Amino acid sequence: DAKTTQPPSMDCAEGRAANLPCNHSTISGNEYVYWYRQIHSQGPQYIIHGLKNNETNEMASLIITEDRKSSTLILPHATLRDTAVYYCIVRVAAVGGNTPLVFGKGTRLSVIA
Amino acid sequence: DGGITQSPKYLFRKEGQNVTLSCEQNLNHDAMYWYRQDPGQGLRLIYYSQIVNDFQKGDIAEGYSVSREKKESFPLTVTSAQKNPTAFYLCATHRGGSTEAFFGQGTRLTVV
Repeated sequence: DAKTTQPPSMDCAEGRAANLPCNHSTISGNEYVYWYRQIHSQGPQYIIHGLKNNETNEMASLIITEDRKSSTLILPHATLRDTAVYYCIVRVAAVGGNTPLVFGKGTRLSVIA
Repeated sequence: DGGITQSPKYLFRKEGQNVTLSCEQNLNHDAMYWYRQDPGQGLRLIYYSQIVNDFQKGDIAEGYSVSREKKESFPLTVTSAQKNPTAFYLCATHRGGSTEAFFGQGTRLTVV
């Protein structure tokens, strides 16, 4: 079972920041938080991941609370192309080991013009 | 062009027939995965392989089989024992550690 809880859906106005929350209250010390998104009928696309520090890349920012029990994915200026299902996943990431990603149902983000 | 190739994109089969879905990668990744997705649902893990000639069952392996004879290839066979095979099938690869996984574009299987 997925170890994360996300709202089933959210709306965001085009050009505004989209803030997608994720609860992972049972996260272990060696588990990373990953975010992927899936545009309709395509394979999931990696967005960002982090362990305990906030992270930023060209797509998004990831804010992880100090106790690591929740996180927020931020799309700073949402566009219509950001409409997708967003998955928050926690996963052990050991060097030389590969544990599968376990997906929940994610959050369906609708960006509205 | 590097990446993961799943073929075909759409596949139709008659009920009771076995069908094999192809997944090829040229990323030199050790781990490969098969997921199934039903409408409005998240992805569920069918099988995964961390190294050539080795694979493990995922959460919904019944009615499926895989092989990993080459690092580049991880075909999935949907057998007649799978009671509800119509779904969207996704293949993924992973280099290892904390790096990200990469997904193919999927095969949509319809059994009639």
